[in-house]
Amino acid sequence: EVQLVESGGDLVQPGGSLRLSCAASGFTFSNFWMTWVRQAPGKGLEWLVNIKTDGTVTYYVDSVRGRFAISRDNAKNSVYLHMSSLRVEDTAVYYCMANLDYWGQGTLVTVSS
Amino acid sequence: TVVTQEPSLTVSPGGTVTLTCASSAGTVTSDYNPSWFQQKPGQPPKSLIYYTTNRHSWTPARFSGSLLGGKGALTLSGAQPEDEAEYYCLLHYSGPWVFGGGTKLTVL
Repeated sequence: EVQLVESGGDLVQPGGSLRLSCAASGFTFSNFWMTWVRQAPGKGLEWLVNIKTDGTVTYYVDSVRGRFAISRDNAKNSVYLHMSSLRVEDTAVYYCMANLDYWGQGTLVTVSS
Repeated sequence: TVVTQEPSLTVSPGGTVTLTCASSAGTVTSDYNPSWFQQKPGQPPKSLIYYTTNRHSWTPARFSGSLLGGKGALTLSGAQPEDEAEYYCLLHYSGPWVFGGGTKLTVL
C-alpha cells in the first residue's frame, strides 16, 4: 500500500522556523520527483517546490524561494521542507506529493503570535 | 503566470460536463503537461489525470482529459453524486508548476 505521511506541523511565531518531513512507503521512492503543496484555510492549492529523484534539481515558487528549502534522503525514503522566516500567510496545510500520483494527508502549520 | 478555471459548475446526475484550464501565458499545449486533481471536503487531493490525457489506475473511466480550444480540459461523462467536489488543474511552466484556482462541481 502506498503511503505518504507528513509530520512536523506546529504553531510557530512569525519569523520562526520549522522542518516538515514526509515519509514514503509502498513505492520506489528514489524513482519519484517529490513536491510540496500547501492549502491555506478555505483556499485553493498552491504548488511550492519540487525535487528531482536524485536531489540534484529543485524548483521553487517565487513566494517561498530563499525562505524554504527542500531536501530528500532516498536511504530513508523521506523528503523534507525546511521553512524559515515564516509569515502569517504561510499558515496552511502542507502536503507532499509523489510525481503527479500520490498525496499525503497533510500537516498543519500555523504561524501566529 | 495565472491559471484560470471556472469557479463553479453544476451537472445533473448522469450528465456530462467539461471543466477547463486556461493559462495567462497563452494557449495550453501538451508541453504544459496539464494534470487534474479532485478534492472533497476534509480530504487531501486525489490525482485523476496526468500529462493531458492519462488516467491513473484508480481513476474512473468517466473522467477524461484533453486539450480543447487552447485550454486543458477535464470531461466528466455520466456524473455520479460522489463526483461532487473541488477540481484543480496543474500546469508546468519550464520549472515551477502552477495550480488553477479550482472549480467547485455540484451534481444536482
